[in-house]
Amino acid sequence: DQQVKQNSPSLSVQEGRISILNCDYTNSMFDYFLWYKKYPAEGPTFLISISSIKDKNEDGRFTVFLNKSAKHLSLHIVPSQPGDSAVYFCAASGGQNFVFGPGTRLSVLP
Amino acid sequence: GAVVSQHPSWVICKSGTSVKIECRSLDFQATTMFWYRQFPKQSLMLMATSNEGSKATYEQGVEKDKFLINHASLTLSTLTVTSAHPEDSSFYICSASPSGGANSPLHFGNGTRLTVT
Repeated sequence: DQQVKQNSPSLSVQEGRISILNCDYTNSMFDYFLWYKKYPAEGPTFLISISSIKDKNEDGRFTVFLNKSAKHLSLHIVPSQPGDSAVYFCAASGGQNFVFGPGTRLSVLP
Repeated sequence: GAVVSQHPSWVICKSGTSVKIECRSLDFQATTMFWYRQFPKQSLMLMATSNEGSKATYEQGVEKDKFLINHASLTLSTLTVTSAHPEDSSFYICSASPSGGANSPLHFGNGTRLTVT
């Protein structure tokens, strides 16, 4: 049973446009959520996080939105750049344990 | 800050041999480190939680006698794949957090690509 889901395995966006990556979770005990970016043959790089007491967190081009009632979060990247092309993992945590989604491959087209 | 270093970045070994992978927290102390495995085009699967000075906690389905974890200091955890077989070929990644992972991000090493021939 997948506790963290990313239903879109891939997404293509034109450079300069907004990229929206979605993530759903099932465990209501999760209280901390993160997004990671991963290039091939490298470890994931932390992008942005949000605690369950907030519904939005912004850092430069990256904004994460959390809808607790829907158990849904999303990552917005605007404007998208070709260097953003990577696999994005959503992760959720309740305490020390982290659960990762299957990832969404984002391709930003020039 | 919060740099995690993993070594080696890639290794090729023969079936039946053992391979050791090191994970170091360079600028912080980590009482807990996490070992993940990633199969091609799949997500990160937690294998075990490494605890400094005590036994590691393994996830269901992970053989503790095959994947030996040692966390002898606050900055170093090692994963040894014993008697490696081709099905152990994978991408292994370690991670740690300065605060032990509670409400703070995990920081990952760059991973180790293991190929068993």
